[in-house]
Amino acid sequence: KAGVTQTPRYLIKTRGQQVTLSCSPISGHRSVSWYQQTPGQGLQFLFEYFSETQRNKGNFPGRFSGRQFSNSRSEMNVSTLELGDSALYLCASSPTGLNNNEQFFGPGTRLTVL
Amino acid sequence: AQSVTQPDIHITVSEGASLELRCNYSYGATPYLFWYVQSPGQGLQLLLKYFSGDTLVQGIKGFEAEFKRSQSSFNLRKPSVHWSDAAEYFCAVDPGYAGNNRKLIWGLGTSLAVNP
Repeated sequence: KAGVTQTPRYLIKTRGQQVTLSCSPISGHRSVSWYQQTPGQGLQFLFEYFSETQRNKGNFPGRFSGRQFSNSRSEMNVSTLELGDSALYLCASSPTGLNNNEQFFGPGTRLTVL
Repeated sequence: AQSVTQPDIHITVSEGASLELRCNYSYGATPYLFWYVQSPGQGLQLLLKYFSGDTLVQGIKGFEAEFKRSQSSFNLRKPSVHWSDAAEYFCAVDPGYAGNNRKLIWGLGTSLAVNP
């Protein structure tokens, strides 16, 4: 099976712009979670989608949003970018979610905000 | 507040030496516990997990971890480190709350360097 793929791998934006990141889960996985990774804060949970519905949400402002499509692919959007949004954004998929199931991570999208 | 602590930010060991990476958590009940590894430019890969049962769990790449309830710890060990083990290691905890509030809580990671 192909692993979790994320596109693009690298992205450079300027403050105020918006960005959309994409994640394709492992075939058959219905849960997709998004994380923000920074050196100072580590890995922070953004949200989880399962069967096109947001099932879980972390403590991020409304500028961060996401959605999931019927084929389980997910997108994450960040509007009005700030310098502090520079981070590695990781997507993880699992068959059913956090109920004792391992999460499989993609390589991440490195976002740099100038 | 719920938290996961990895006390060692950076560790350097010699190839062939033993390794122990520490992880402590602050939850009342027994959570679900995970260790992940992240190599440069890569996503995270699961090394091992503990849900219940035997408190010593075996993982991939020769790693093992022991859950100690009395110490709220889940330390990762390897008897003999290889140069390819140089990476960032993350401990994560799922408190196991029911409903829609479940999420993994992550430690800040331990960076492992291996001297030849």
